[in-house]
Amino acid sequence: GAVVSQHPSRVICKSGTSVKIECRSLDFQATTMFWYRQFPKKSLMLMATSNEGSKATYEQGVEKDKFLINHASLTLSTLTVTSAHPEDSSFYICSARRRFDQPQHFGDGTRLSIL
Amino acid sequence: QKEVEQDPGPLSVPEGAIVSLNCTYSNSAFQYFMWYRQYSRKGPELLMYTYSSGNKEDGRFTAQVDKSSKYISLFIRDSQPSDSATYLCAMSDSRAGNNRKLIWGLGTSLAVNP
Repeated sequence: GAVVSQHPSRVICKSGTSVKIECRSLDFQATTMFWYRQFPKKSLMLMATSNEGSKATYEQGVEKDKFLINHASLTLSTLTVTSAHPEDSSFYICSARRRFDQPQHFGDGTRLSIL
Repeated sequence: QKEVEQDPGPLSVPEGAIVSLNCTYSNSAFQYFMWYRQYSRKGPELLMYTYSSGNKEDGRFTAQVDKSSKYISLFIRDSQPSDSATYLCAMSDSRAGNNRKLIWGLGTSLAVNP
């Protein structure tokens, strides 16, 4: 199997708070992890790609200082939404991939609500 | 023109029906083709992964890739109410430089009625 665990599944917090989301590949080593954002009834929007031990590559329009990504090991990547505001409320999903020619496997997402 | 086109539906079928889901694409460099299933408020679950052209079967699911027509399909046999979900196609090319990021269809919403 290829299991990806994402935690927490739900976060509700006040505006100005920083929120950290963890993504773990439980039964494989992931050379690459991806972070997505999904709006209701929309497809997935790639935010950034991270390779273990390297700085993340952000997609155009994604603020790297707002969305901090750390990929410290082959099984763990974190996304920190800094000083979150209501417009950051969304469904955030991570994925992990063993090798470049293998498919991405997804976590169950984190529903973030900023009040 | 979008790189990947997918009819969003919704598609409603009776239990036991054969379901056909499709995507078309414009980039002839795409080599890797995937189908994911996504239930509400969950992450996408990989159903099928195909490299280049051809057919692949896994249980009730069959994936087809026709690169000459730039067209991919997913067939679901003996559909069940538990198959009710959004089905997303995704694809990538073989260039290493862009981390082989996925290009997604919009997803097709499927409802299987008991």
